[in-house]
Amino acid sequence: QKEVEQNSGPLSVPEGAIASLNCTYSDRVSQSFFWYRQYSGKSPELIMSIYSNGDKEDGRFTAQLNKASQYVSLLIRDSQPSDSATYLCAATTTGTYKYIFGTGTRLKVLA
Amino acid sequence: GAVVSQHPSRVICKSGTSVKIECRSLDFQATTMFWYRQFPKKSLMLMATSNEGSKATYEQGVEKDKFLINHASLTLSTLTVTSAHPEDSSFYICRARGQDRASGAWVLTFGAGSRLTVL
Repeated sequence: QKEVEQNSGPLSVPEGAIASLNCTYSDRVSQSFFWYRQYSGKSPELIMSIYSNGDKEDGRFTAQLNKASQYVSLLIRDSQPSDSATYLCAATTTGTYKYIFGTGTRLKVLA
Repeated sequence: GAVVSQHPSRVICKSGTSVKIECRSLDFQATTMFWYRQFPKKSLMLMATSNEGSKATYEQGVEKDKFLINHASLTLSTLTVTSAHPEDSSFYICRARGQDRASGAWVLTFGAGSRLTVL
């Protein structure tokens, strides 16, 4: 059974702080990893993708991948109240497009 | 950019009736459509995958006679929940994969989702 695990939260951080979101996956065949942001009642929107071990930065967001530990994380710097949402981690095997989604971590950024 | 128009965004129906959800790809041809269901505070669960002109492939545990998927054209796919019951109340989201008409790039885009409430 392929699984992607996330802590459901809520994770509360003050405005301006760094929010750290974590995700583990069970299938070693997974090669591609994604972070999505989902506001209540809306569909997910892609924030970042990461395919190689190490860090990948895009603006205030940094994704980190450790395939040996089967661990993916997302750091949000200078958190804003508008970042308050549920963050979904997803994994897939390249070329299949069958994504396995985690249950999401709810982030609350307090003004 | 590639947009998937999904409607209705919200629908309330009586138990026993059928509900149709439509997803249309704008500016690209959706060769593959993925249909997901999301219960409150749960992850997106893939229900089925359909390729244009072919029968849908359903995930284990999803009743194909209850969730009818049609993907007869490259711009339209529909999901019909037949004889809906309260336990079918959920958030249904489509996701289309295809080539953008302008750039030729492959895109993978979610629809906005449909909230179904069965009374």
